[in-house]
Amino acid sequence: AQKITQTQPGMFVQEKEAVTLDCTYDTSDPSYGLFWYKQPSSGEMIFLIYQGSYDQQNATEGRYSLNFQKARKSANLVISASQLGDSAMYFCAMRGNYQLIWGAGTKLIIKP
Amino acid sequence: KAGVTQTPRYLIKTRGQQVTLSCSPISGHRSVSWYQQTPGQGLQFLFEYFSETQRNKGNFPGRFSGRQFSNSRSEMNVSTLELGDSALYLCASSLDGTSDQETQYFGPGTRLLVL
Repeated sequence: AQKITQTQPGMFVQEKEAVTLDCTYDTSDPSYGLFWYKQPSSGEMIFLIYQGSYDQQNATEGRYSLNFQKARKSANLVISASQLGDSAMYFCAMRGNYQLIWGAGTKLIIKP
Repeated sequence: KAGVTQTPRYLIKTRGQQVTLSCSPISGHRSVSWYQQTPGQGLQFLFEYFSETQRNKGNFPGRFSGRQFSNSRSEMNVSTLELGDSALYLCASSLDGTSDQETQYFGPGTRLLVL
């Protein structure tokens, strides 16, 4: 069975600092996709970044990058130069069997 | 392109009533999924539809049902509401949902409060 683990329930980070949100996964499928979503207090789930299991390079999207370590089964999200608007819940997820399997999420609070 | 839309955005019901939530996917997307989010249980998969067919269902009682129309719009229904059904219900769409590398895009959600 597929599983996503996010071990950081909450994090406080100073504005403009970089932050790493941890995500480990478990799957026996050779082909899989890993996703990160941001959920502000408004509730909408916003897609941030995707990493495919066969991708040779770590994914990047603007200030977001993914530190993908396949052998360790980890896909950590890195946010560079954090901003106050980055305060939100962040979820790591994996596709499988027509659904997304979710981690418990990390609540990120950016301090001014 | 317009994003995923969900109606209504907020809903207050009483125990025993039923509720219908609606979701319109991104144009061209044919797969629609529903998720329930609660503080205690986190995000849980309800069901997924493609071409008016339910392809997968999560571990929810039969009070939770859904359907998809020929234009890919989807509805979910909860009958005999219980207090524990209070949650944020999220709808997501993707192209056809067959690839494990396909991104799901979410709507703003419907917040349901059962009193």
